[in-house]
Amino acid sequence: EVQLVESGGGLVQPGGSLRLSCAASGFTLSSYSMNWVRQAPGKGLEWVSYISGSSSIIYEADFVKGRFTISRDNAKNLLYLQMTSLSAEDTAVYYCARDVGVGTRDDAFDLWGQGTMVTVSS
Amino acid sequence: SYVLTQPPSVSVAPGKTARITCGGSDIGSESVHWYQQKPGQAPVLVIYYGSDRPSGIPERFSGSNSGNTATLTISRVEAGDEADYYCQVWDSYSEQRVFGTGTKVIVL
Repeated sequence: EVQLVESGGGLVQPGGSLRLSCAASGFTLSSYSMNWVRQAPGKGLEWVSYISGSSSIIYEADFVKGRFTISRDNAKNLLYLQMTSLSAEDTAVYYCARDVGVGTRDDAFDLWGQGTMVTVSS
Repeated sequence: SYVLTQPPSVSVAPGKTARITCGGSDIGSESVHWYQQKPGQAPVLVIYYGSDRPSGIPERFSGSNSGNTATLTISRVEAGDEADYYCQVWDSYSEQRVFGTGTKVIVL
């Protein structure tokens, strides 16, 4: 079955760090660009970061630059999001999402995981 | 950064047509994608590159894009179409992907 499964979410104190993982199965991860998208409770979708299949191209939302790092291990079929300097505003469900196409910047997200909840609170 | 504006909600009777707009500067020159999200679930792609439908998405879902407005049209609306809908584009100026503010479709 083609699917994405996120893990690593949880409760973290303000200023803390967390690493999210996204396990891909049923397809060859290296053939696809990948993304992280988040959704704060009761709010809309917010794109976080993009990484190309070879990791050569990375794009980030303004609010994460310098704090979050996207990476991937194609051999292990894993996507990561390393998050540091977390604040309450980062509280959200974090989804990994696959690009639909062959790596153009204006691609859509055709496959989503179920999400992992990150709560930043003391 | 690029702003995509959607109406907060659209109400429609079963069997009628719902039109959800997504406003942005010269959005007609962009590739627009649309997602459906039901409560407690991950989003689902319903329209990509403006008017293409992924496999499994009913023909009742269609998209158009011109000028400063992109539109997702749901024909013959069913109760199961009640959900939040988001548009999304690539902003080449900021090199970021952007989502619209989201529209809740309410089936009366």
